[in-house]
This record gives sequence, C-alpha cells and structure tokens, in this order.
Amino acid sequence: QQQVKQSPQSLIVQKGGISIINCAYENTAFDYFPWYQQFPGKGPALLIAIRPDVSEKKEGRFTISFNKSAKQFSLHIMDSQPGDSATYFCAARSNGATNKLIFGTGTLLAVQP
Amino acid sequence: EPEVTQTPSHQVTQMGQEVILRCVPISNHLYFYWYRQILGQKVEFLVSFYNNEISEKSEIFDDQFSVERPDGSNFTLKIRSTKLEDSAMYFCASSASGGSWEQYFGPGTRLTVT
Repeated sequence: QQQVKQSPQSLIVQKGGISIINCAYENTAFDYFPWYQQFPGKGPALLIAIRPDVSEKKEGRFTISFNKSAKQFSLHIMDSQPGDSATYFCAARSNGATNKLIFGTGTLLAVQP
Repeated sequence: EPEVTQTPSHQVTQMGQEVILRCVPISNHLYFYWYRQILGQKVEFLVSFYNNEISEKSEIFDDQFSVERPDGSNFTLKIRSTKLEDSAMYFCASSASGGSWEQYFGPGTRLTVT
C-alpha cells in the first residue's frame, strides 16, 4: 500500500513531442504528489507538485494530471527538448507529521534532436 | 537561491568503518530528511528529523544509523559499521515547515564501501 508504481521505465521522444509518464498508487492517505527531475550524478530537483483537491496543474511546459478516483497521476512534458533528457520520479507524501515521500521507480527520458 | 549542500561528494570506506555524511539544509527550514538511492534504483526514505528528534524512520534505518543536528546549521548521518550493501547515493533534503510539503534535495554523497 505504500508503493507508487511508475511507467514506463524508459521513454524516447522526438524533440517537440509530448512526453507522458504515469504513476499509480493504492494508499488513499497520500495527500501530495510531487515530480522530481534528476540528472546523472545530481540530486532530485523538485519540478512540479499537486494536491488531490486539484485535477490539473500546469507550470510552463510541465503539466500534472490527477485522477483521484482512479488513484493515478501523470506528468506531461509539452514541446520536449533535448535538455529535458533526465530521469523523472513521481512521489507521494505519506499523510502524517513526517512528510515522508514514497518514490516511484523512475522513468529515463531521452529526447532526440 | 538557497540550496541544500552536502559533503563529501564521494566517500570511500572499508567495510566495518564508521562514516559521517554531512548536510547543510536551507537556512530557514525546520524539517530534515535523509534518503538513499542504490545505483539505478528508486530513491528510498531513511529518516525524518524535526525539533531535534527523529519523527519517523524506515526499516532500512537500523541501529547502525544515527542522525544528529550538532549545531544550528549542520545535519549529519552516521553509519557506525558500514556494510557492502550500504553503498549508495545518500541525499539530504529539507522542507520549511509542516504546512509546506516541498522538499528540496542536496546533490548527494556517493558512499562506496569496499
């Protein structure tokens, strides 16, 4: 129940295309869903996040779509660029005082020029 | 822009040795965390720390691990007797308060146990 399932494991997109990464969870107590971007040898960088009372959040080229009833959320990267090539992790906050994040398994995105 | 910093960037140690990984969280943040990432795998929660005490720890965080905030700026993770399977990237993170759930991660310390 504490897992967050992420797919696909890897993704190749052409420059200018849309990258879509999906995550699913079981625990209805999760109450905050961030996405992190990680470049090789670097720490995860917070990209965008959403709370379950909102179905969509957009920041620039990045959009989170959230389906509370299906317990699924996804990251859409519009107009994908080679500089977006990185590993993307979804995560979920475990409801409680500790802010513990449960991470998905990651998606390696390659944007081809 | 404030950021979390970690030292060293890479630590090589022999099995059975003690290591201390250091972190300087963002200055006005109150919640501190350690996560680890084994090569090629997902990021895993180790421990959260608030008000000078552990608020939650994972199954990974056994008696060999400890955390400390020795002064107003540093936050450390100690592994008393390292094992080969402790080899991983260790990330420190911090967040501003209980109401702000955004966690900001440092660049990590790569720990290699030989």
